[in-house]
Amino acid sequence: SAVISQKPSRDICQRGTSLTIQCQVDSQVTMMFWYRQQPGQSLTLIATANQGSEATYESGFVIDKFPISRPNLTFSTLTVSNMSPEDSSIYLCSGRRDTNEKLFFGSGTQLSVL
Amino acid sequence: DQQVKQNSPSLSVQEGRISILNCDYTNSMFDYFLWYKKYPAEGPTFLISISSIKDKNEDGRFTVFLNKSAKHLSLHIVPSQPGDSAVYFCAASFLGGNEKLTFGTGTRLTIIP
Repeated sequence: SAVISQKPSRDICQRGTSLTIQCQVDSQVTMMFWYRQQPGQSLTLIATANQGSEATYESGFVIDKFPISRPNLTFSTLTVSNMSPEDSSIYLCSGRRDTNEKLFFGSGTQLSVL
Repeated sequence: DQQVKQNSPSLSVQEGRISILNCDYTNSMFDYFLWYKKYPAEGPTFLISISSIKDKNEDGRFTVFLNKSAKHLSLHIVPSQPGDSAVYFCAASFLGGNEKLTFGTGTRLTIIP
């Protein structure tokens, strides 16, 4: 599978601020996704990052809170806006080059909000 | 509504013995199941999968069993090795895996030397 470089690997942020997480893939991928893993919970899909158009959000997630960009087939960002302690989670980007490939993941961003 | 459940948050197994990780699902429309393995500070990596048309898939030391009537799958690792210590996530999908994945909460496996 391709390699996804995700940064930052961790951050501690103040309530009310925003953090942008970046993911760079070493080859073109057709599909990119953003997941969240809250403490003790499963990996939950936030949205599908669509190249050149607005992301497709899952139920319970909105663009104002989690704006996503995907300017090309190798790069995507997720912003966690106006953060609160409830946003403390691991955020993971993932990708797939075609429908026959299994989903692969970046190393994750451990976010703590104080 | 947790559609994929891993009821054991942790499991400890002696090195060389068999590790059995369990997963239950509630949506009978799921037709493709996967196991991912995650080390600390790394993203999950794909381990093994199974289609609903099968009841067993084997890859080296790893075997996944699917019981559709019970909506249950399990991952067997034999023999267990210290490098198998990780968190294991079960995931399910529709349309042969081409739809989004629904993950369980994970089971932390510790192999005792």
